[in-house]
Amino acid sequence: NAGVTQTPKFQVLKTGQSMTLQCAQDMNHEYMSWYRQDPGMGLRLIHYSVGAGITDQGEVPNGYNVSRSTTEDFPLRLLSAAPSQTSVYFCASSNFRGSLGSTDTQYFGPGTRLTVL
Amino acid sequence: LAKTTQPISMDSYEGQEVNITCSHNNIATNDYITWYQQFPSQGPRFIIQGYKTKVTNEVASLFIPADRKSSTLSLPRVSLSDTAVYYCLVGPRGQNFVFGPGTRLSVLP
Repeated sequence: NAGVTQTPKFQVLKTGQSMTLQCAQDMNHEYMSWYRQDPGMGLRLIHYSVGAGITDQGEVPNGYNVSRSTTEDFPLRLLSAAPSQTSVYFCASSNFRGSLGSTDTQYFGPGTRLTVL
Repeated sequence: LAKTTQPISMDSYEGQEVNITCSHNNIATNDYITWYQQFPSQGPRFIIQGYKTKVTNEVASLFIPADRKSSTLSLPRVSLSDTAVYYCLVGPRGQNFVFGPGTRLSVLP
């Protein structure tokens, strides 16, 4: 298994440009989530999904869109990039299914380092 | 979601036992305590999770007192490779999304 993969690894955008960060997992996990991590800070949740077709907002959703058309993929779209969105973006997945015996361990991808000029 | 408080940083020497305490005074009945480890330029990695008393795995132990208002992650005999940031998360299973600033552990030779 490749686990959680993210592309690209690095990206530089100009203010106002749009782009999509890709995230895929091959573990058949229902839960997927996007975080951003600013220098010296903890991770902050942007959006998450508990299954295909279901998404919800996290702590810092403004300026980002998500969709979940398949179990495997959870892309993050930046609508109009701003310098404040310069950060490292992590995607994660979890096999949690709501039952007592299922684990909610999150498996993280390697991250995408985004710079907005 | 319960707010957590951890020390910002800690130093230790190789071979010592390290204990990192996390305070979570307003933990709810259905909240679990989960710890993650993050190395530079990598995503966090799950270490351990518990609800009450003591949990142990091959990497660490987690001690939770009866009132559950705090928890302590114990790393036995740390090595240089344990230098990382450690995060304490408190929340319902499946809703553990809140990563605070974490504790930056530096292991010295």
